[in-house]
Amino acid sequence: QMVESGGGLVQPGGSLRLSCAASGFTFSDHYMVWVRQAPGKGLQWVGRIRDGPNDYTTEYAASVKGRFSISRDDSKNSVHLQMNSLKIEDTAVYYCARLYYHSGGFYADYWGQGALVTVSS
Amino acid sequence: DIQLTQSPSFLSASVGDSLTITCRASQGIGSYLAWYQQKPGKAPKLLIYAASTLQSGVPSRFAGSGSGTEFTLTINSLQPEDFATYYCQQLNSYPITFGQGTRLEIK
Repeated sequence: QMVESGGGLVQPGGSLRLSCAASGFTFSDHYMVWVRQAPGKGLQWVGRIRDGPNDYTTEYAASVKGRFSISRDDSKNSVHLQMNSLKIEDTAVYYCARLYYHSGGFYADYWGQGALVTVSS
Repeated sequence: DIQLTQSPSFLSASVGDSLTITCRASQGIGSYLAWYQQKPGKAPKLLIYAASTLQSGVPSRFAGSGSGTEFTLTINSLQPEDFATYYCQQLNSYPITFGQGTRLEIK
């Protein structure tokens, strides 16, 4: 199970930090991903973080690179999305998900319920 | 970036029908493709991964096939709970991308 928190209303240029608390599995064994969905739109991959043996390295979508950062705390079974310099177009529901490894691919098999971020003045 | 194009974007069908949704990639992605189902106000649900492997707990009326640039999701004998939006996703290379979605509605 994943439960996101930290969503809300923020002004353009502001910052927000989302958290995702995981339970029911060995969190430290899994890569984690953030995916967002703007109102009435499709899914957009935001970024992912690897596990400890892979140095917790991260990748980001071009649209958020340099503004967003993903971190994790394996001792607390949590992953975070720090969002800075927010833009109106960042308004979306943000989902965290666990990644399941299979034959070279990482598939999002368990998802949180989502956290709504609204960027507006 | 790899573009995924789903067709159709909208589909109207009846309970009991069978249908196929196609996902075409702008370049070859091997079998690194997943299909998700999303209902309004809910998180996506993984249906198929590695192009054709059924996720645990997903009914066998769902089937995925394809490799390279063309993939299909087939739903046999539609049930009322299947009316939703379906997305394909490629995991071959960054950035990870999704198709635009196929909205399936009851006729």
